[in-house]
Amino acid sequence: DVKVTQSSRYLVKRTGEKVFLECVQDMDHENMFWYRQDPGLGLRLIYFSYDVKMKEKGDIPEGYSVSREKKERFSLILESASTNQTSMYLCASSFPGRVNEKLFFGSGTQLSVL
Amino acid sequence: KQEVTQIPAALSVPEGENLVLNCSFTDSAIYNLQWFRQDPGKGLTSLLLIQSSQREQTSGRLNASLDKSSGRSTLYIAASQPGDSATYLCAVSPPTGRRALTFGSGTRLQVQP
Repeated sequence: DVKVTQSSRYLVKRTGEKVFLECVQDMDHENMFWYRQDPGLGLRLIYFSYDVKMKEKGDIPEGYSVSREKKERFSLILESASTNQTSMYLCASSFPGRVNEKLFFGSGTQLSVL
Repeated sequence: KQEVTQIPAALSVPEGENLVLNCSFTDSAIYNLQWFRQDPGKGLTSLLLIQSSQREQTSGRLNASLDKSSGRSTLYIAASQPGDSATYLCAVSPPTGRRALTFGSGTRLQVQP
């Protein structure tokens, strides 16, 4: 089975801190994604990557950056955490080929910024 | 810009009932449509994927249909069980480019024993 692992289930950070969310997948997927999920707003795409060192902005990239130095790992960085970044963060990956193929998700990281 | 709507937002049914969840999308130019399940506080699990050229997909008690021209999909759950209680989300992908899925807000289903 495909496994997408997010490093933390829960995180509590202070405003202004730099925050790293890590995601690792074990199926050699080329495509990886970061979404955030908020009540009433659904899932919104932050960034995605279709290859090592390649990235594209999603719908809400402001305040975030990403890093993909190795194929299996995709990191989301909050440069200076703010309270409006309190959310559930979900990482996903997909099979090689088209970016639109079946997605596999991690268990999510619930981030609280105080 | 593609928009995906799911109605109802919440649904409660007694165990054993057959039920239908609805998904509509504004742009009929899609590559595929996926249905996901999400348990509270967890990630999403892909249930069914329908390519744009297909009309339906089945997996066990689940059947998903797609009417691309009208921008609609339904997820049919037969003989519902308490273990089916979860939030169900649909998502569509565009036919070209590197854009990722656009999700609906989900239908929260509760099956009463």
